Amino acid sequence: AQTVTQSQPEMSVQEAETVTLSCTYDTSESDYYLFWYKQPPSRQMILVIRQEAYKQQNATENRFSVNFQKAAKSFSLKISDSQLGDAAMYFCAHRRGAGGTSYGKLTFGQGTILTVHP
Amino acid sequence: DAGITQSPRHKVTETGTPVTLRCHQTENHRYMYWYRQDPGHGLRLIHYSYGVKDTDKGEVSDGYSVSRSKTEDFLLTLESATSSQTSVYFCAISESPRAGQGKASEQYFGPGTRLTVT
Repeated sequence: AQTVTQSQPEMSVQEAETVTLSCTYDTSESDYYLFWYKQPPSRQMILVIRQEAYKQQNATENRFSVNFQKAAKSFSLKISDSQLGDAAMYFCAHRRGAGGTSYGKLTFGQGTILTVHP
Repeated sequence: DAGITQSPRHKVTETGTPVTLRCHQTENHRYMYWYRQDPGHGLRLIHYSYGVKDTDKGEVSDGYSVSRSKTEDFLLTLESATSSQTSVYFCAISESPRAGQGKASEQYFGPGTRLTVT
């Protein structure tokens, strides 16, 4: 079974600064996807960024980028130029790459609450 | 935004009563999922469906049942609610892998239902 661990229950950052959220995972498979989701106070789950395990290049989406270390099973999220609107709970998640009936099942980490100070 | 609605959005019920939560999608996606979110645990999969009348258990399925009689609706039932089932419940959907890995790897979430069992 897959496990995902976020060891930072809370993080804080000053507006315009950079912050990195940590995530480690455990899987015996070689084909999988990793995700970061953002959950603001509205409770809506918003996909921030996605990484395919077969891709060596780290994914980037505007101010968001990841550091994907496959051998170390590490998947951290870097937020550059932090904005007040980035304040939220952030979840790291893993999904198997294979299709079939169990397709798409996500395993989530415990979450990290990010506070952005003006 | 993906067309996913959940009803009710909030519910308070007493221990021992049956409760049914509904997830409705307008995207015609094959896969549907029910997760629960609890502090310190992130989101955990309860049950999922890979087609009409095709369902399977997730990580925390005890005390829950599901049904999917048509593509657009996925029902989660608590046969006899307990206080440990107080939680926020999320429905999610995803496309079949045949749609292509890029699109198919994303999972879209509903707005959530806050259930309190007293």
